[in-house]
Amino acid sequence: DTAVSQTPKYLVTQMGNDKSIKCEQNLGHDTMYWYKQDSKKFLKIMFSYNNKELIINETVPNRFSPKSPDKAHLNLHINSLELGDSAVYFCASSHLDRETFNYGYTFGSGTRLTVV
Amino acid sequence: AQSVSQHNHHVILSEAASLELGCNYSYGGTVNLFWYVQYPGQHLQLLLKYFSGDPLVKGIKGFEAEFIKSKFSFNLRKPSVQWSDTAEYFCAVNARRGNNRLAFGKGNQVVVIP
Repeated sequence: DTAVSQTPKYLVTQMGNDKSIKCEQNLGHDTMYWYKQDSKKFLKIMFSYNNKELIINETVPNRFSPKSPDKAHLNLHINSLELGDSAVYFCASSHLDRETFNYGYTFGSGTRLTVV
Repeated sequence: AQSVSQHNHHVILSEAASLELGCNYSYGGTVNLFWYVQYPGQHLQLLLKYFSGDPLVKGIKGFEAEFIKSKFSFNLRKPSVQWSDTAEYFCAVNARRGNNRLAFGKGNQVVVIP
């Protein structure tokens, strides 16, 4: 049973196309994220949703639009893809124990996007 | 916002050698600290985390880390590495009373030579 699942695992597409990456978590977590890992392996947060509400929106081109239909899903839609969008995109979810402030994060297996 | 520094991005060592990876964070408030490992072509896996209590944290695969509050550090150690420890290692921090943002360091690429 995959806790955080992303589809597709690999995505190769041409410049200018529009594509979506889907993410689902079955952990009952209330917060979900999208991270981008560039060619140098640097991980940077893009978006975060808490109970379908956007709470983090980093400096990301507005060609990237997250959509959260419910708290178990956070999809990423990318318009007019550019070469620089090539990266691995990781979805994650988290849960906070409000007594101990113990955060638990779980990451998906990543989507390798290649724009040609 | 919190930030994380990891030094010595590329580390090459032989099997059975000891490993120590440095991690320093910048944030004025209380934090939770994490170390993740990413094996080649795979996703992030949690090695260990600190949120309270004993500052010496033991994780999976024989790794441990020590939180030194006065130094804003959370260094990762393993006394004797194996070839299978070849991976990218990421330190991460989030603010205890923040917006759940998990900020990552730039990672350490560790290569263990058999």
